[in-house]
Amino acid sequence: QSVLTQPPSVSAAPGQKVTISCSGSSSNIGNNYVSWYQQFPGTAPKLLIYDNNKRPSGIPDRFSGSRSATSATLGITGLQTGDEADYYCGTWDNSLSTWVFGGGTKLTVL
Amino acid sequence: EVQLVESGGGLVQPGGSLRLSCAASGFTFRTYEMNWVRQAPGKGLDWVAYITRSGDNIYYAASVKGRFTISRDNTKNLLYLQMNSLRAEDTALYYCTRGSGNDEDNYFDPWGQGTLVTVSS
Repeated sequence: QSVLTQPPSVSAAPGQKVTISCSGSSSNIGNNYVSWYQQFPGTAPKLLIYDNNKRPSGIPDRFSGSRSATSATLGITGLQTGDEADYYCGTWDNSLSTWVFGGGTKLTVL
Repeated sequence: EVQLVESGGGLVQPGGSLRLSCAASGFTFRTYEMNWVRQAPGKGLDWVAYITRSGDNIYYAASVKGRFTISRDNTKNLLYLQMNSLRAEDTALYYCTRGSGNDEDNYFDPWGQGTLVTVSS
């Protein structure tokens, strides 16, 4: 059972928009920056969003992040079949003194 | 180019030990905190351990505390993970990943390609 809660799967049609939620608590998301990672099968995870809503160089602006209270959201617009991957949220937990990840969300572009 | 290359994985019996290494290149290693993150087959990401730039502050996941030791050699640009008393549930692909390089935030970028640890008799 992950400290951060993500939906196991989401799906949408090409060109559409999808959001992936990440729910936590005041000891983690509520007081620390959230980052998001994209992972394709058989490859290492890749940083997608950091500091709640910043995109590393090379990440298209179709990807966005936000945080409100103890939840964070990853948004992807203009969905492409190449966006099919697993997405993970993560942050530091002050009570546990550990980094915590969400369980991951599998995105399917129908 | 920033690169992280893990090595040292393999097949080990329950109760055994293994030392993983991560060779860093393309950046000033001593100015970044480092982490180990693992992923069991077909499962999600599981953070293992964190070490500060100088190695003076270290954190572990509860599941590995007392069994695993993270360390670094800033003169050789190497990160290590000494794993003792290994259990079947430690079977995973172990990734080395770099921290943000500052005290204001934390995230993991980039990631190595991983080294596979299999604990089985």
